[in-house]
Amino acid sequence: DVKVTQSSRYLVKRTGEKVFLECVQDMDHENMFWYRQDPGLGLRLIYFSYDVKMKEKGDIPEGYSVSREKKERFSLILESASTNQTSMYLCASSFGGGGEKLFFGSGTQLSVL
Amino acid sequence: RKEVEQDPGPFNVPEGATVAFNCTYSNSASQSFFWYRQDCRKEPKLLMSVYSSGNEDGRFTAQLNRASQYISLLIRDSKLSDSATYLCVVLRGGNEKLTFGTGTRLTIIP
Repeated sequence: DVKVTQSSRYLVKRTGEKVFLECVQDMDHENMFWYRQDPGLGLRLIYFSYDVKMKEKGDIPEGYSVSREKKERFSLILESASTNQTSMYLCASSFGGGGEKLFFGSGTQLSVL
Repeated sequence: RKEVEQDPGPFNVPEGATVAFNCTYSNSASQSFFWYRQDCRKEPKLLMSVYSSGNEDGRFTAQLNRASQYISLLIRDSKLSDSATYLCVVLRGGNEKLTFGTGTRLTIIP
């Protein structure tokens, strides 16, 4: 079975801190994605990557950056965390080609105080 | 108008009943369509793809109506384990990004 692992299930940070969310997949998937999920807003795409060292902005990239130095790892970075970034963050991966099945990690609930 | 719209529910349905919900999408160039299921405090998982000709997987039937720009999900003989939030997902034309609806919450009542 495909496994997408997110480093933390719960995270509490203070405003202004730099935050790293890590995601690792074990199935050699080309594509990796970061979403955030908020009540009433659904899942919104922050950034995605189709290859190592490649990244593309999603719908809400402001305040975030990403890094993909290795195929299996996709990191989301909050340069200076703010309270409006309190959310559930979900990482996903897929084989490629568009429209394919996404495999999600179990999510990181981030609280910024 | 949202790209993908769903009735948030909740739908409270007795066990054994049939339930159906729709999802509308605004971009006529949308290419592919999916239903994902998300259990409480869990990650979304693919339930089924939606094909132009309609498709069935056991008790679940998905249909696409391109003319009216909606997809539907029908669940027959509902089970308690069907209680979840069902997410409508649309692949936008041209950029291969998936757009998620906000979900329809379904609760099956014993």
